[in-house]
Amino acid sequence: SQQGEEDPQALSIQEGENATMNCSYKTSINNLQWYRQNSGRGLVHLILIRSNEREKHSGRLRVTLDTSKKSSSLLITASRAADTASYFCATDGTWGKLIFGQGTELSVKP
Amino acid sequence: GAGVSQSPRYKVAKRGQDVALRCDPISGHVSLFWYQQALGQGPEFLTYFQNEAQLDKSGLPSDRFFAERPEGSVSTLKIQRTQQEDSAVYLCASSSAGGMNTGELFFGEGSRLTVL
Repeated sequence: SQQGEEDPQALSIQEGENATMNCSYKTSINNLQWYRQNSGRGLVHLILIRSNEREKHSGRLRVTLDTSKKSSSLLITASRAADTASYFCATDGTWGKLIFGQGTELSVKP
Repeated sequence: GAGVSQSPRYKVAKRGQDVALRCDPISGHVSLFWYQQALGQGPEFLTYFQNEAQLDKSGLPSDRFFAERPEGSVSTLKIQRTQQEDSAVYLCASSSAGGMNTGELFFGEGSRLTVL
């Protein structure tokens, strides 16, 4: 079973616009991670945010975490066509495994 | 190698055949995970190895699925008597973190299995 739920399931924007994806989860966590997956490829780690952090930045990425609401958001600013991919949030489970959500499919049109 | 390597990238099997999927993790990575990803879904955990020990196999869907990592490096996921519902992408990931610590996972490109 999957822990997280991403919202929206699909998002289509124009190049240069910002994209916001949300993730909700059910149980308490130590950290939450975001991954990107291009079509037909493996997942690539984007960012990790710990449960005692509220916000984290990496380049054009901004992640927030609200443990009281059990939710996280990923903001991609000034999107590019190359950002077109599926984005997954993942929470930590036992033995270091990650439990992934269903993903948000982002399409950035040039 | 520089990253996680999986083979074969594509496998077509007839229902009832056995298949073996190989994963070559990043050298020195203690932890190795197998995930199953159905079309349009997120990856679902199958099993976890810390070195050669299989510490968690709670995600394996049936006793037809078997995984091993005998020398603590290369791992093989074997599926016996394949069924159509086994059709999916099988992803392998490795991590330098061990034990209960969750770190960044490095994924391979996956093995896409199609069962006819």
